[in-house]
Amino acid sequence: QSVLTQPPSASGTPGQRVTISCSGSSSNIGNSYVYWYQQLPGTAPKLLIYRNNQRPPGVPDRFSGSKSGTSASLAISGLRAEDEADYYCAAWADSLSGVVFGGGTKLTVL
Amino acid sequence: EVQLVQSGAEVKKPGESLKISCKGSGYSFANYRIGWVRQMPGKGLEWMAIIYPDDSDTTYSPSFQGQVTISADKSISTAYLQWASLKASDTAMYYCARHVGSGTTTHFDHWGQGTLVTVSS
Repeated sequence: QSVLTQPPSASGTPGQRVTISCSGSSSNIGNSYVYWYQQLPGTAPKLLIYRNNQRPPGVPDRFSGSKSGTSASLAISGLRAEDEADYYCAAWADSLSGVVFGGGTKLTVL
Repeated sequence: EVQLVQSGAEVKKPGESLKISCKGSGYSFANYRIGWVRQMPGKGLEWMAIIYPDDSDTTYSPSFQGQVTISADKSISTAYLQWASLKASDTAMYYCARHVGSGTTTHFDHWGQGTLVTVSS
């Protein structure tokens, strides 16, 4: 059971906007920035969003992140077939002195 | 270009020992922590441990403390993850990743390609 809670699956059609939620507590998301990672099938994870809403170079602005209190969300607009992947949220947990991940959300583009 | 290149897939028997590696290039390896992340078959990501190559300072997740050992040799820009006695439940993909920031700004900005470890009798 993961410390951060994500829906196991999400779906949308090309061009749609989808959001993926990530819920935590005051000991992780509530006191930390939130990060999002994208894992395309058969590949290593890749940093998608850092510090709640910042995109690394090369990440399209179709991807956006937000955080409020102990929850965060990832939004993908103008959905494309190549966005089909697993998405993981992550945050720092003081109690661990380490990183906690969500269980991951499998995004299907219909 | 920052790159982390991991050693190849391993097939081991229960009780055997194993050491896998992660070689960094394209940046000052000694000055960035390296983290290890486990992904069991069909499952999510689990943070295992981090090491600061410059002084080999380590932090382990409580779930992995005592189960694995991480180390680094900054002279050859390589980090290691090792097991003294493998179990079938250690079967997983293991990723190394460059760790940036500290505390609440901690994240992994570059990842290795993964090393698949299979433990089976």
